[in-house]
Amino acid sequence: GAVVSQHPSRVICKSGTSVKIECRSLDFQATTMFWYRQFPKKSLMLMATSNEGSKATYEQGVEKDKFLINHASLTLSTLTVTSAHPEDSSFYICSARASPNTEAFFGQGTRLTVV
Amino acid sequence: SQQGEEDPQALSIQEGENATMNCSYKTSINNLQWYRQNSGRGLVHLILIRSNEREKHSGRLRVTLDTSKKSSSLLITASRAADTASYFCATDVDSSYKLIFGSGTRLLVRP
Repeated sequence: GAVVSQHPSRVICKSGTSVKIECRSLDFQATTMFWYRQFPKKSLMLMATSNEGSKATYEQGVEKDKFLINHASLTLSTLTVTSAHPEDSSFYICSARASPNTEAFFGQGTRLTVV
Repeated sequence: SQQGEEDPQALSIQEGENATMNCSYKTSINNLQWYRQNSGRGLVHLILIRSNEREKHSGRLRVTLDTSKKSSSLLITASRAADTASYFCATDVDSSYKLIFGSGTRLLVRP
């Protein structure tokens, strides 16, 4: 099946710094990618839809200035957590789909810890 | 936002037993999918059932869909310790690419 690669898998950063997470679609062009956040033992909460060549669409309650999304090419979307705080610590997962109503492929996830 | 609830939230069974997980959703759907997540990892697609289908099989997995009750179930037969994971249902609610996930069931299969 298709592969989505997410990097880094784990990152620890200091409060106030920014962290960039990359999500790559390795064998298909993804005009749309998704970023999810997951708290321990909880489900995936959709944060935003990343659209190639245009602005991301954020879900209600997600701060667009805090979570910057860039989708500069058909195979790469990045999520930058700006001015990170300990409450931003979480598991972030990206996904991509070749077309609607088909299976989604997920990255391995990024465990972010802000100290 | 979450589409719906799954029950049970947690399930512990003995190896060899069957495991049944249920998913309820709120809106009309195009299809419903089930995913598996090992602890601290990404999700892996298991099976997709379209809104006009009632049952689907894949290996030891059996999925049912009842659109009148807005519910689905995932049955894992002859469970193995390696089936230990969290299982999530997810729905396509429109023609966009967006998937909305249920709350998940944590399955523990004891050897």
